Amino acid sequence: AQSVTQLDSQVPVFEEAPVELRCNYSSSVSVYLFWYVQYPNQGLQLLLKYLSGSTLVESINGFEAEFNKSQTSFHLRKPSVHISDTAEYFCAVSPNRDDKIIFGKGTRLHILP
Amino acid sequence: KAGVTQTPRYLIKTRGQQVTLSCSPISGHRSVSWYQQTPGQGLQFLFEYFSETQRNKGNFPGRFSGRQFSNSRSEMNVSTLELGDSALYLCASSLARAATGYTFGSGTRLTVV
Repeated sequence: AQSVTQLDSQVPVFEEAPVELRCNYSSSVSVYLFWYVQYPNQGLQLLLKYLSGSTLVESINGFEAEFNKSQTSFHLRKPSVHISDTAEYFCAVSPNRDDKIIFGKGTRLHILP
Repeated sequence: KAGVTQTPRYLIKTRGQQVTLSCSPISGHRSVSWYQQTPGQGLQFLFEYFSETQRNKGNFPGRFSGRQFSNSRSEMNVSTLELGDSALYLCASSLARAATGYTFGSGTRLTVV
């Protein structure tokens, strides 16, 4: 069965500092990988996804994630965070023969002034 | 174009009652998935419908059921409500396969008293 582990439930970081949110997955088949973001009192929004091809994927707001098959990881990074990045971030996996997306438990990103 | 619409936004029900939640997907999206989000368990997959057929099902008791109509709108029903059913219920739609990326609604906040 597929599963997703987000190693940190909360990550505090100072504004303009870099951040990495960690995500590891387990799957016996090839997978699609996603990062979603949830702002307070809202649903989830797709931040970026890896389906195939280049292992480094980027979002329009400066986040990037790298697919590492040997380490079964898909960590999310941003070189300089802003107060507006305060949100909960969810890593997710979908086996490419299935249509179910399995989510990690989320990492709450706290931006400190 | 309009996003995923969930109604109602908030709901308070009494233990033992039943409830029906509604989801209208983005126009043209044929896949609708439902998730339960709680602080302790995170996002738990309930079920997914595609072209009026349940294509995937999570590990929830039979009290949780759903259906999809010919216009792709979906409903989920919970019978004999329990206190533990209090959660944010999120609906997500996609064109055909989950791998193309979900678009989430803002959710229905259900409180069981």
